[in-house]
Amino acid sequence: SQTIHQWPATLVQPVGSPLSLECTVEGTSNPNLYWYRQAAGRGLQLLFYSIGIDQISSEVPQNLSASRPQDRQFILSSKKLLLSDSGFYLCAWSMVAGSTDTQYFGPGTRLTVL
Amino acid sequence: GENVEQHPSTLSVQEGDSAVIKCTYSDSASNYFPWYKQELGKGPQLIIDIRSNVGEKKDQRIAVTLNKTAKHFSLHITETQPEDSAVYFCAASRDDKIIFGKGTRLHILP
Repeated sequence: SQTIHQWPATLVQPVGSPLSLECTVEGTSNPNLYWYRQAAGRGLQLLFYSIGIDQISSEVPQNLSASRPQDRQFILSSKKLLLSDSGFYLCAWSMVAGSTDTQYFGPGTRLTVL
Repeated sequence: GENVEQHPSTLSVQEGDSAVIKCTYSDSASNYFPWYKQELGKGPQLIIDIRSNVGEKKDQRIAVTLNKTAKHFSLHITETQPEDSAVYFCAASRDDKIIFGKGTRLHILP
């Protein structure tokens, strides 16, 4: 069966510091991968999605970036965090590119920028 | 592009009663409609989904209905229990693009 992991689970970082969040998927090959941000009490905002290695699409221009160095690894990064980057970051995967399919979410990373 | 509206934003029901959450979508080409449950501090978990060739789907106490003509779909939870307390998200999808509603916080009252 497929599983998705995210780490760290929680993170407290000062403003201006760098960020690296990691997501890995097990049990499937060539998944679509997604990064979402969820602000407190709000819905899901799609940040990036990827249909393959080094193929990243950005949905929202900001100081975050994403990379996919391996088939089942998705990394969210920032060179300098802003206060507004605080939130709950969720990674998700789906099986088939270009068709409607279910997205499965990881456990999330709670990021607090102070 | 697709827009998904979800109502209500907050819902309180007595334990044992039914809860209904409604969503509307704008893109008539959307053909897949999942519902997710998110407990505090966790990622959303898929609880039920429906595709556009089906009008209703049921899984134990949970059911989803879809009205393609009116472009709305609903989640029904019967015989609610304390563990049903959570935030519920609807979504509408076509191809590999999925748009989520803003969520409904469901409180089950003892």
